[in-house]
Amino acid sequence: GAGVSQSPSNKVTEKGKDVELRCDPISGHTALYWYRQSLGQGLEFLIYFQGNSAPDKSGLPSDRFSAERTGGSVSTLTIQRTQQEDSAVYLCASSPRTAPPDTQYFGPGTRLTVL
Amino acid sequence: AQKITQTQPGMFVQEKEAVTLDCTYDTSDPSYGLFWYKQPSSGEMIFLIYQGSYDQQNATEGRYSLNFQKARKSANLVISASQLGDSAMYFCAMSENSGGSNYKLTFGKGTLLTVNP
Repeated sequence: GAGVSQSPSNKVTEKGKDVELRCDPISGHTALYWYRQSLGQGLEFLIYFQGNSAPDKSGLPSDRFSAERTGGSVSTLTIQRTQQEDSAVYLCASSPRTAPPDTQYFGPGTRLTVL
Repeated sequence: AQKITQTQPGMFVQEKEAVTLDCTYDTSDPSYGLFWYKQPSSGEMIFLIYQGSYDQQNATEGRYSLNFQKARKSANLVISASQLGDSAMYFCAMSENSGGSNYKLTFGKGTLLTVNP
């Protein structure tokens, strides 16, 4: 079956612009996670969605970052007024939220470059 | 303090030999899960193997096995009969649940494995 898909695969933007990154989770997976992978910080959790519950935004690095999930499926991560330190690979993962292991399956990522 | 420690930035192994990638973790939660992911140069994170904190036996998945030593808080990945396609970055990760529903993963910094022909 289809895995997690993300778009765009690459995004180059200028400092100060807003960007939107999209994630399509595996069909039927109710949990969705965003992570960021950068050279300096490694892999970091950003935000978590589960069904219709309020998202866990505890990993978002600043208020310039926001995310939404429409209809319990597709998610969009928005970064406003991008900064050079936002350059990273943004990874989305989904899981079925069944009993353990509740494995997270990752998409190919979006590589964001802020000039 | 780091929750997941991978002390080997890089490892080399000859094709067809076995290799062990080290991972130690730190948690006070009695319920947790340990995962290994592979990230080839293409960038996608590929799930390899899982070990639950209450599992009595070490996990195995094909050529992958997890050497789980709970008292030492280690969860080393063993790859048997290495193949050229095993060359990649390998990440150890832990999920914890302290009452909520967020099983976010905390990752180590990774080990870059190179398989030599």
